[in-house]
Amino acid sequence: DGGITQSPKYLFRKEGQNVTLSCEQNLNHDAMYWYRQDPGQGLRLIYYSQIVNDFQKGDIAEGYSVSREKKESFPLTVTSAQKNPTAFYLCAGSRGTEAFFGQGTRLTVV
Amino acid sequence: AQTVTQSQPEMSVQEAETVTLSCTYDTSESNYYLFWYKQPPSRQMILVIRQEAYKQQNATENRFSVNFQKAAKSFSLKISDSQLGDTAMYFCAFIQGGSEKLVFGKGTKLTVNP
Repeated sequence: DGGITQSPKYLFRKEGQNVTLSCEQNLNHDAMYWYRQDPGQGLRLIYYSQIVNDFQKGDIAEGYSVSREKKESFPLTVTSAQKNPTAFYLCAGSRGTEAFFGQGTRLTVV
Repeated sequence: AQTVTQSQPEMSVQEAETVTLSCTYDTSESNYYLFWYKQPPSRQMILVIRQEAYKQQNATENRFSVNFQKAAKSFSLKISDSQLGDTAMYFCAFIQGGSEKLVFGKGTKLTVNP
């Protein structure tokens, strides 16, 4: 089928460890995004990338890092500097007039 | 900075009735797109409707329509003949033409009651 694929669906990590969330797309979208969703907070933009090898901070980039070495891939690393990393993370791709979303990754830090 | 505001955290409606969800946005640009996304309990984001800012005509998709008031920076969603499957979180979103920055409101939780 294809589209935006996020993996894994559920992820558990110990406090203080870095963890990388995968996001792959086969829609040939130039723009890709990472959002964090907490109850009552809606979708908050972490990072976005318009083209390969370029990305911009969103509203809550602290404690996160990304890379965009290939058009198809936009992984998100949650570092130990992120104070409260437990959340639902959504990846999206866009061609400007519509965004397509993955199914999300639920990260729990214990 | 672009912002999107949804002033109704929760709403409920009886099946078959009509409900309107509110959204306002802030931008100084003229080239942008507005969206309503639906997020059911599965948490999959589903595009409901899209509006180009340069189009004066309000977008419609079956039972879903918008009231786009550009001067007032308002973009409300009307759901007619509400169905139980419409129960979900609804997010208003904005993307600036050129910058590709896609920004969402905090959402409105809609419950359709039988």
